Amino acid sequence: DAGITQSPRHKVTETGTPVTLRCHQTENHRYMYWYRQDPGHGLRLIHYSYGVKDTDKGEVSDGYSVSRSKTEDFLLTLESATSSQTSVYFCAISVGLAEYEQYFGPGTRLTVT
Amino acid sequence: DAKTTQPTSMDCAEGRAANLPCNHSTISGNEYVYWYRQIHSQGPQYIIHGLKNNETNEMASLIITEDRKSSTLILPHATLRDTAVYYCIVRGFSGSARQLTFGSGTQLTVLP
Repeated sequence: DAGITQSPRHKVTETGTPVTLRCHQTENHRYMYWYRQDPGHGLRLIHYSYGVKDTDKGEVSDGYSVSRSKTEDFLLTLESATSSQTSVYFCAISVGLAEYEQYFGPGTRLTVT
Repeated sequence: DAKTTQPTSMDCAEGRAANLPCNHSTISGNEYVYWYRQIHSQGPQYIIHGLKNNETNEMASLIITEDRKSSTLILPHATLRDTAVYYCIVRGFSGSARQLTFGSGTQLTVLP
């Protein structure tokens, strides 16, 4: 599992509340990613980071923000959760030559009621 | 990035080879072919990648046609635990971004 953990693994929250998901890696990799996965859509990139304080938007970034204040942690924040953000969220890191091999965390199942 | 086309689903008998095709007719010279799989409720798992030559590792073999317009992932002796969605992804090494674009993949079901 390349030393990737996600917390929490499951969360139920109410519409309008802020939520922060944490991705933690133990191997000092530069690239980290947040994806969401929904039925019928596959995996879609939300945000990614290529270093401390260096982040960029992905395909479905609206409603999400990220922060990376240290190499090992990449945080995904839903400022005001909506029901459309109910999903499974996966964190990933890049490894290997040119960093194109990605290893994924176990996922966080988020339900917004 | 080049677009890929995969069958929606395939079945394979346990113990037999599973051959999963992928079409990537618009692939360019510097783009690699990657394969990932996702077992139900788990994060995707890297399997293998290649550029031109056939590749083999402990999980699978990747056969890329000479014109590079298609490839086949081979699981030599499929087990029930290989039941998963298999994603074929084509990606170049240029630029700073490293994100992968996952399509719909092929649902492989290994039958006992």
